[in-house]
Amino acid sequence: EAQLVESGGDLVQPGGSLRLSCAASGFTFRSYEMNWVRQAPGKGLEWVAYISATGSTIYYSDSVRGRFTISRDNGESSVYLQVGSLTVEDTAVYYCAKQITRLTSAPFDVWGHGTMVIVSS
Amino acid sequence: EIVMTQSPATLSVSPGERATLSCRASQSVSNNVAWYQQKPGQAPRLLIYYASTRATGVPARFSGSGSGTEFTLTISSLQSEDFAVYYCQQSSSWPPMYTFGQGTKLEI
Repeated sequence: EAQLVESGGDLVQPGGSLRLSCAASGFTFRSYEMNWVRQAPGKGLEWVAYISATGSTIYYSDSVRGRFTISRDNGESSVYLQVGSLTVEDTAVYYCAKQITRLTSAPFDVWGHGTMVIVSS
Repeated sequence: EIVMTQSPATLSVSPGERATLSCRASQSVSNNVAWYQQKPGQAPRLLIYYASTRATGVPARFSGSGSGTEFTLTISSLQSEDFAVYYCQQSSSWPPMYTFGQGTKLEI
């Protein structure tokens, strides 16, 4: 069974940084595009970042571009999100999600349980 | 940026009834729309993709339709486990910006 497990969330001060990790199992990780999606408390879903299967193509939402960095290690079956210059608006549960096929139009069929990032002084 | 607008924000229905949820795109997204179900404290679950294809394991009472800018998720006979928040998502824009709707809460 395909599974994603996030970690690395924490309480951090404004302006701080964190590295979020997502460990994959149960599928051929190196064959799939991966994403990060976040959800602020009581709010809806917001797509954050995309990385292609090889790691050669990356996209970000306007709200995080220049502050967040997505990366992956296919040998470790893991995807990462380095989050920086954090503001209170970045407080959210961060989910990693796998795309169902290699098409960029593909939906997200496997999601992790999420990791919580709280930005507060 | 393509904006996805869902209606209504909240839908009150009874078990056994039919529920119809709507999602409108600010410009054509062809059939590149997915629907997700999210229950409190859980991650989203993929229900429908490419507007009308049911994901693996999704009951036949869930169906999707639409193309272009208007999309619908229909639940034919609500079960107690269907009460949740439902999100639509577009995956048509280039470069990719996988925007979600604001959600419809399905409640008793």
